Amino acid sequence: QSALTQPPSASGSPGQSVTISCTGTSSDVGGSNYVSWYQQHPGKAPKLMIYEVSKRPSGVPDRFSGSKSGNTASLTVSGLQAEDEADYYCTSYADNNSWVFGTGTKVTVL
Amino acid sequence: QVQLVESGGGVVQPGRSLRLSCAASGFTFSRFGMHWVRQAPGKGLEWVAMIWYDGSNKYYGDSVKGRITISRDQSKNTLYLQMNSLRVEDTAVYYCARDVDRFFDYWGQGTLVTVSS
Repeated sequence: QSALTQPPSASGSPGQSVTISCTGTSSDVGGSNYVSWYQQHPGKAPKLMIYEVSKRPSGVPDRFSGSKSGNTASLTVSGLQAEDEADYYCTSYADNNSWVFGTGTKVTVL
Repeated sequence: QVQLVESGGGVVQPGRSLRLSCAASGFTFSRFGMHWVRQAPGKGLEWVAMIWYDGSNKYYGDSVKGRITISRDQSKNTLYLQMNSLRVEDTAVYYCARDVDRFFDYWGQGTLVTVSS
């Protein structure tokens, strides 16, 4: 169960877009539609932002969107706002009844 | 509203045991699978264990398999994590989270476990 690979950091100015990648294998991301994304502010619990690759829970702004191509999933935050500054983690259900998280990406709003 | 409240964390010596609890409220506990996820200080999230809604199936991460047992008490709406043979590397904040079709929709605030001599 190796962690999914995410870039350590990403940044953008207010109003810009940032895209975070999440790379796994055919045993997890590539073979699963159960990819989800979580936002975590310092000292807080993670919050669900995207599930099943591209679906948004109610209450999550439509500035957040998800996609997947092959073994790589992506989270895009459009129209960056100050409150979007946080750590973001992807996760995927894997084919051996397990879940694997990404390494995490710190998003900075410049 | 859905609430998950973890408890039972603390400082424990290597090799000792500890049991964490997660009290659930605001939803029908017996209808949902539940997870434990941990986060070492300054590190990323790591999936630990999952139990089906009825307790009939349990799954564990490789790093804890054989040392940790997940269980639930439907009558008390409580999830547990029994941790044995604790190691320094088990030091982390432990979160419980509700499962909805293989994603985690609600999380508790976490309980800190520190393994140190």
